[in-house]
Amino acid sequence: DADVTQTPRNRITKTGKRIMLECSQTKGHDRMYWYRQDPGLGLRLIYYSFDVKDINKGEISDGYSVSRQAQAKFSLSLESAIPNQTALYFCATSDITGTGPTGELFFGEGSRLTVL
Amino acid sequence: LAKTTQPISMDSYEGQEVNITCSHNNIATNDYITWYQQFPSQGPRFIIQGYKTKVTNEVASLFIPADRKSSTLSLPRVSLSDTAVYYCLVGDVSFQKLVFGTGTRLLVSP
Repeated sequence: DADVTQTPRNRITKTGKRIMLECSQTKGHDRMYWYRQDPGLGLRLIYYSFDVKDINKGEISDGYSVSRQAQAKFSLSLESAIPNQTALYFCATSDITGTGPTGELFFGEGSRLTVL
Repeated sequence: LAKTTQPISMDSYEGQEVNITCSHNNIATNDYITWYQQFPSQGPRFIIQGYKTKVTNEVASLFIPADRKSSTLSLPRVSLSDTAVYYCLVGDVSFQKLVFGTGTRLLVSP
C-alpha cells in the first residue's frame, strides 16, 4: 500500500460544483502539502500544514481551502470549481526536525481533476 | 526563497553521462540543494541532496562549487528510463515551503 494515498485519482465535474480531494498518509509525518501541476509546468504550492493546528497559504491559494482533520489527513476543497482549476493535484508529506538538511518530500500518486 | 534557474530541456543517448546545471545566485547560508525526478503522471521523487562539494549516492552525484551559486546533477550512463523532468530546489530546515520551478525535461534516446 502507498504511504501517501490520494482519493479520488480521477474526477470530472462541472463548473460551480464543490469538490474535495483527500489525502491520507501512514508515514507519521507532521508536515503535509498540496501542490497543483498544469501541463508543461512545474508544481505550484497551494496550501501547507506543519501540524494539525497549523495551516498556511502557498503561492496559489485563491479558490481553494484545506482541512487538516488529523495528523494523517489533509483535504483540499474547491468550493466552486472553475475550468482553470483543471489540473493534476499532488499531496505530499515531509518530516523535518532539528537542524540540518531539509527533509525529503513524499508524494502521492496524484488526483487528476477536470472541470467542465 | 532562493530562485532557481534550469535549462528547459536536454537530450541525451543511452549510456551517456548527463549533467544538469541549476543556478541559484541568491542561495542563503543555511540552504541545502535538493533534486527531484518526476515521471509523467507521477509525483516527484527525491534523488539527492547536498550542501557543498560533492555528494554521491547509488543514483546520481551532486556537485556544488565553493560559492554555492550553482549546482550540477550528474546522471552516469543514462538509460531510457531516466527520461523524466528533473527539479532543483533550494531551502533550509526552517523553510516555510518548498517551491518547484519548471524543471528540466530530459529525453534519453536509444
